[in-house]
Amino acid sequence: NAGVTQTPKFRILKIGQSMTLQCTQDMNHNYMYWYRQDPGMGLKLIYYSVGAGITDKGEVPNGYNVSRSTTEDFPLRLELAAPSQTSVYFCASSRSLRDYLYEQYFGPGTRLTVT
Amino acid sequence: AQSVTQLDSHVSVSEGTPVLLRCNYSSSYSPSLFWYVQHPNKGLQLLLKYTSAATLVKGINGFEAEFKKSETSFHLTKPSAHMSDAAEYFCVVSDRDTNAGKSTFGDGTTLTVKP
Repeated sequence: NAGVTQTPKFRILKIGQSMTLQCTQDMNHNYMYWYRQDPGMGLKLIYYSVGAGITDKGEVPNGYNVSRSTTEDFPLRLELAAPSQTSVYFCASSRSLRDYLYEQYFGPGTRLTVT
Repeated sequence: AQSVTQLDSHVSVSEGTPVLLRCNYSSSYSPSLFWYVQHPNKGLQLLLKYTSAATLVKGINGFEAEFKKSETSFHLTKPSAHMSDAAEYFCVVSDRDTNAGKSTFGDGTTLTVKP
């Protein structure tokens, strides 16, 4: 049981490049999330998903896209990378029973620098 | 709408003395409340959660928190700090009834423990 795994751990992008951050969970959780954490700040929700085929925007979705074709995987796509997207990205998952939100399990993070 | 305010961005204590990290929240409905800990360059780990059972919640590593609805607070305490407690702590609120799994994070409190 690996929990939530993220790849890559580190990445440097040039302005305008694109990339996909991978996230996989093996706990059969229906809810999955992508957050970004800027220095000295809390986590801001980018996108979330309540199940395969269903995604929705969080607080800071601009410049990102997601898809959820399976329960396990929730990749985050950055198109046309900008310096403002330099951050640490965390993927998380949780189960939810009748809107009773359980705790979130976090991956180790991806540190992204855009120069 | 939901929000959370961590009242101290930095707290410094001596080893063996009590720890108090303060958190106030705003929630339109019945909230779920969580405290997470993040050690340097690591992901987030759940310390404890409140989900409408007992108002005094015990977590891992000797931490506990008390839900006070009248004060809209969920302060984190520990009787005796250990050097390994030095980390970033996040208070998190989630409206259980309406928000489809979305949580709001505080900006974090950095706990320093002096020998």
